[in-house]
Amino acid sequence: GQSLEQPSEVTAVEGAIVQINCTYQTSGFYGLSWYQQHDGGAPTFLSYNGLDGLEETGRFSSFLSRSDSYGYLLLQELQMKDSASYFCAVRGGQAGTALIFGKGTTLSVSS
Amino acid sequence: EADIYQTPRYLVIGTGKKITLECSQTMGHDKMYWYQQDPGMELHLIHYSYGVNSTEKGDLSSESTVSRIRTEHFPLTLESARPSHTSQYLCASGNRGQRETQYFGPGTRLLVL
Repeated sequence: GQSLEQPSEVTAVEGAIVQINCTYQTSGFYGLSWYQQHDGGAPTFLSYNGLDGLEETGRFSSFLSRSDSYGYLLLQELQMKDSASYFCAVRGGQAGTALIFGKGTTLSVSS
Repeated sequence: EADIYQTPRYLVIGTGKKITLECSQTMGHDKMYWYQQDPGMELHLIHYSYGVNSTEKGDLSSESTVSRIRTEHFPLTLESARPSHTSQYLCASGNRGQRETQYFGPGTRLLVL
């Protein structure tokens, strides 16, 4: 099966940098994804890492270390609108066809 | 903007009723999913499909059923609704390939009295 661990809550102030960690256990690895979900909204895709290293998309970056079964999402120049829940996800299920999500990290950004 | 739709958006229904939650996507994705999510909580995978006539149960035990007769349509049915079914139901679809991106619908908020 699969399991993912991420912190339940993170708080930060506007303009700061925050890192959300994710450790995973999975029988077959097909990459680590990150999704953002605002309160009352649907999750939206942020980033994907299939290989070790850093992927950068604007203010957001995601890192993967397959040997450590570990990844993180880095959010820079935080804005109030970044207050949301962030989920890491790995592929699982039959032949790795389904995405399995972690429990989510609630990020609160204050002014 | 992803083209994935769910109806109804909100539903209040009595115990024992049969309900069907609709989900449609116009992106031609082979993979479709149903998740259950309580407010502020994690997403639980309850059903998924990787193509027409294929359906699989997810990690969360569910009393619901799904069908996939057409690529674009993936309805979820509860034969007899119970108060424990009160939750938000999110439908998603995804493209083939390792770098799969899932696109989520707006969700159906279900309240069973």
